[in-house]
Amino acid sequence: SQQGEEDPQALSIQEGENATMNCSYKTSINNLQWYRQNSGRGLVHLILIRSNEREKHSGRLRVTLDTSKKSSSLLITASRAADTASYFCATDNNNDMRFGAGTRLTVKP
Amino acid sequence: NAGVTQTPKFQVLKTGQSMTLQCAQDMNHEYMSWYRQDPGMGLRLIHYSVGAGITDQGEVPNGYNVSRSTTEDFPLRLLSAAPSQTSVYFCASSTREGQPQHFGDGTRLSIL
Repeated sequence: SQQGEEDPQALSIQEGENATMNCSYKTSINNLQWYRQNSGRGLVHLILIRSNEREKHSGRLRVTLDTSKKSSSLLITASRAADTASYFCATDNNNDMRFGAGTRLTVKP
Repeated sequence: NAGVTQTPKFQVLKTGQSMTLQCAQDMNHEYMSWYRQDPGMGLRLIHYSVGAGITDQGEVPNGYNVSRSTTEDFPLRLLSAAPSQTSVYFCASSTREGQPQHFGDGTRLSIL
């Protein structure tokens, strides 16, 4: 069964707008990771946040983690057409790596 | 560095056939894993390895075998292909478990 579940399933925005994707999970975790997948390609790692961290930044990406609510969010600021892709959260709990079904982001130029 | 290389990229099998999906990494990573990706379901872990000679089952291991005789290679074997194994298969590696994974570009497998 899936651990992480992303919300929304699909998101369409204009270039320059911010995109927020949410991830909820069910069990305790060691860390939570966000990945991006372009059509027909493998996943690319974006950011890892440990269970004792609350927020992390990397360039235009901001990830938050709330372990009390078992949820995380990924914010992409000032989106670009090149950000169009699917985004997945993945939880790690002692070699039990679980991915969500992903959010399909479309950024219109 | 080539990263994670998967072969073949596409394969069509008949029910009952066996085959091996190849995965190789040149980053000297200890941890390697196999996932399948089905529409609307995200990735599911099939098998993983924390180092040469060590393998373990993931979430959906039935119908698949793995071995890890070297650090570089982690082949996935389908013993007797079934239509339910039609999927896209991804291999990934990382320095150790729980760390960011590097993914190959996948093998698209269809079983008729």
